[in-house]
Amino acid sequence: KAGVTQTPRYLIKTRGQQVTLSCSPISGHRSVSWYQQTPGQGLQFLFEYFSETQRNKGNFPGRFSGRQFSNSRSEMNVSTLELGDSALYLCASSSRTGENTEAFFGQGTRLTVV
Amino acid sequence: SQQGEEDPQALSIQEGENATMNCSYKTSINNLQWYRQNSGRGLVHLILIRSNEREKHSGRLRVTLDTSKKSSSLLITASRAADTASYFCATYNQGGKLIFGQGTELSVKP
Repeated sequence: KAGVTQTPRYLIKTRGQQVTLSCSPISGHRSVSWYQQTPGQGLQFLFEYFSETQRNKGNFPGRFSGRQFSNSRSEMNVSTLELGDSALYLCASSSRTGENTEAFFGQGTRLTVV
Repeated sequence: SQQGEEDPQALSIQEGENATMNCSYKTSINNLQWYRQNSGRGLVHLILIRSNEREKHSGRLRVTLDTSKKSSSLLITASRAADTASYFCATYNQGGKLIFGQGTELSVKP
């Protein structure tokens, strides 16, 4: 069974640009969550999608948005990039939403904003 | 805000020794999970312990949970260089979000 796939693996963008990251969950998984990881803040929850609906949202500005498609693939978009958006963005998929659920992570997208 | 906090932040041991990491959390939980992250890569799920369990084993891993103290510990026995990684505990907060601690950076020297 293929794991969680995130593309691209590495990305360099300029301040003010926008970026779209993609996540393909494990086949059959309907829940996709996104996290931002930085040395200073650690792993911060961005949002969770389940069956194309945003179920949960973290404390990030509106520049961060996401969506999920009918095949459960998810994208997250960051507009008007700032230097502080440089981070490892991780996607996790689960077979269902809610507790008692383990999350399976992709390898992440390393975003560098210059 | 962080739901779980790991202690110590960094740990350096020799191969063959045991490594113990601790996690404290703030609110009541249904379960607590431990994950491992190799440098700059994705997280790998290690073990899930439910609130009605006190101890759980998986290979060289032993996890304990003390709900009265709101704490958990992860013990890795007979550590290997390949165990070098960051280890995170994670719990679901009341909003249903899986929240991670800051992690313990484990270094196992050959």
